[in-house]
Amino acid sequence: DAGITQSPRHKVTETGTPVTLRCHQTENHRYMYWYRQDPGHGLRLIHYSYGVKDTDKGEVSDGYSVSRSKTEDFLLTLESATSSQTSVYFCAISEGLAGGETQYFGPGTRLLVL
Amino acid sequence: AQSVAQPEDQVNVAEGNPLTVKCTYSVSGNPYLFWYVQYPNRGLQFLLKYITGDNLVKGSYGFEAEFNKSQTSFHLKKPSALVSDSALYFCAVRDDSGAGSYQLTFGKGTKLSVIP
Repeated sequence: DAGITQSPRHKVTETGTPVTLRCHQTENHRYMYWYRQDPGHGLRLIHYSYGVKDTDKGEVSDGYSVSRSKTEDFLLTLESATSSQTSVYFCAISEGLAGGETQYFGPGTRLLVL
Repeated sequence: AQSVAQPEDQVNVAEGNPLTVKCTYSVSGNPYLFWYVQYPNRGLQFLLKYITGDNLVKGSYGFEAEFNKSQTSFHLKKPSALVSDSALYFCAVRDDSGAGSYQLTFGKGTKLSVIP
C-alpha cells in the first residue's frame, strides 16, 4: 500500500464522541487526502493537504476537521461523531496535484458509529 | 463540473473470456483518466492511467484501457479473465482545466465477478 499506514484499522464508537483517524506516509509526498467510501457513492473527498499546515475542503467536509503538523502525518477528526459518518475512510498521497499525478491509497479505516 | 459514470454495478464473466468494465466521463477541458482496483478489505490499487498520446493504455496484471474522445469513454479491458480478477473496479477523472480544482472524481464502482 505504497508506504501508507492508517490507524486504527477498525473502530467502534458512540454518537457524540470525538474520533481521530491517523494517516502516516513514508514517501515524503507533498499532497495527502482523506476520502470516505460508501456503497453507491464510490469515493468522496473530505479534505486534503498541500503541505504542512496547509489544508482545504473537499466535497463532503461538513462535520470533519483535519490537521497536518508534519509532512508524514495527516489527521482526520470527527468532532462529534454521528451515525451518518459510519463509513470506510481512506487516506491517499500524491507527489503533485494536477495533470497525470497518481494518488496512492492506504489500507483504510472501518468506522462504525452507534 | 466533472463527473464519471460506471453504468454497470456488476459484471459477470466466465474465466478465460474477455472482460470489459465500462466508464464514461464529462469534463470541461481535457481529461486525465485512471482505473483502480479494490480487493475485499483492502485499499485501492492503481491499475493504469491515460494522460495523452496513444489511446490504448496498458497497465498492471494484463489490463488495458481504451480512451475514446468522441464517445467520452475509457473502458477497462482484459483479453482473458482470471478468477483472481474478481474485485471492485473504480474509474476516476481529473479535469486539466482546473474546473474541479484538479481533484479526482470517482465513479461508484463496478463489481467484477469471474466465474470458474
